[in-house]
Amino acid sequence: DIQMTQSPSSLSASVGDRVTITCRASESISTYLNWYQQKLGKAPNLLIHTASSLQSGVPSRFSGSGSGTDFTLTITSLQPEDFATYYCQQSYSLPRTFGGGTEVEIK
Amino acid sequence: QEQLEESGPGLVRTSETLSLTCTVSGGSISSYYWSWIRQAPGKGLEWIGYMYHRGSTSYNPSLKGRVTIFLGTSMNQFSLKLSSVTAADTAVYYCALGSSGNNWFDPWGQGTLVTVSS
Repeated sequence: DIQMTQSPSSLSASVGDRVTITCRASESISTYLNWYQQKLGKAPNLLIHTASSLQSGVPSRFSGSGSGTDFTLTITSLQPEDFATYYCQQSYSLPRTFGGGTEVEIK
Repeated sequence: QEQLEESGPGLVRTSETLSLTCTVSGGSISSYYWSWIRQAPGKGLEWIGYMYHRGSTSYNPSLKGRVTIFLGTSMNQFSLKLSSVTAADTAVYYCALGSSGNNWFDPWGQGTLVTVSS
């Protein structure tokens, strides 16, 4: 199985901050990397697919980059509604696997 | 856009079989990968498996052959069975549609909590 490692596991930030979350795959996955946002008690919501493609309806302050083993999710100006947990997921090989999550908290 | 809703018992006895159904409305699911994903309380996401091309399936080997995903009784439903459950199978179970090709999951159902207890 491909292991997905996210860092940090949690972070505290203020409204307006630039936030960067990293996801590392245990082997190369090209750009088969997707990002989700999950708010407390809700289902995950797709933000970014194929490493850098913004899902329809997702604000442009979210962006993704990377290829191979190292990927980044960036929120350019954190908004109150962005406080949530973020997960990466690889779709390069079976079984599909997720990172452990990054919880973004209010400072 | 498609909307998904999970249904099934919220409590399953240890060693019995967990059964859930996902009902899809608002669109056709024929070109998707019909997926199940779960999340244990306070934990991360675990892909269970999916059905695609109306018959092919792929399952997470970690579930050791206990899982079956199949078409439901109507064209817009698909189901999950997980046998020989233990407390470790207690989780929120989500159904989701996986894209063909690069399997991103969108949309998701709201999830249903299944507790396994003796």
